[in-house]
Amino acid sequence: GQQLNQSPQSMFIQEGEDVSMNCTSSSIFNTWLWYKQDPGEGPVLLIALYKAGELTSNGRLTAQFGITRKDSFLNISASIPSDVGIYFCAGQAAGNKLTFGGGTRVLVKP
Amino acid sequence: GAGVSQSPSNKVTEKGKDVELRCDPISGHTALYWYRQRLGQGLEFLIYFQGNSAPDKSGLPSDRFSAERTGESVSTLTIQRTQQEDSAVYLCASSSPGAFWGYTFGSGTRLTVV
Repeated sequence: GQQLNQSPQSMFIQEGEDVSMNCTSSSIFNTWLWYKQDPGEGPVLLIALYKAGELTSNGRLTAQFGITRKDSFLNISASIPSDVGIYFCAGQAAGNKLTFGGGTRVLVKP
Repeated sequence: GAGVSQSPSNKVTEKGKDVELRCDPISGHTALYWYRQRLGQGLEFLIYFQGNSAPDKSGLPSDRFSAERTGESVSTLTIQRTQQEDSAVYLCASSSPGAFWGYTFGSGTRLTVV
């Protein structure tokens, strides 16, 4: 089946830093989505991308839909403590179900 | 309701017992999805309901897993003869027609099989 490879698996952030994560796939997706999950909660949609090459921002978040339709990245600028959590990419090919990446765990540097 | 409601929030069961997990979607959302999230991992698709269409069961890992949905409301995910590898968080999501990217997730049911 389709698989999404998400990297890095985890990262430490320091307040004010910019961070980046990405997802790659062996197959094409029509839509890319980025979600954030806080402990004990379900994922919440951050950004949705619908066209190859599209670059979309939501506040300090920026995401791009790769032109090959097989990859996407998410950037967080000027990180703050509440950015801690798990970020998931998800892709939609045919039909309505989404395929999710393995997640990037964002932690605060001790 | 205002969001997707799942119950119970936590369930501990003995190996071999059957469990039922419940999901109440957002009113008016015709699509309902079940996903499984093992510790430290991503979300694994299980099953998808859309209105009165036949459900997409392609993600169910074995015949011990089944799900039902009553019309466009409540759904129940049943796991029979639970095994330790069934331990995970089971997430339900719903969306309105044509707006799958607007998936709204519940907080999940954390299932522990001992």
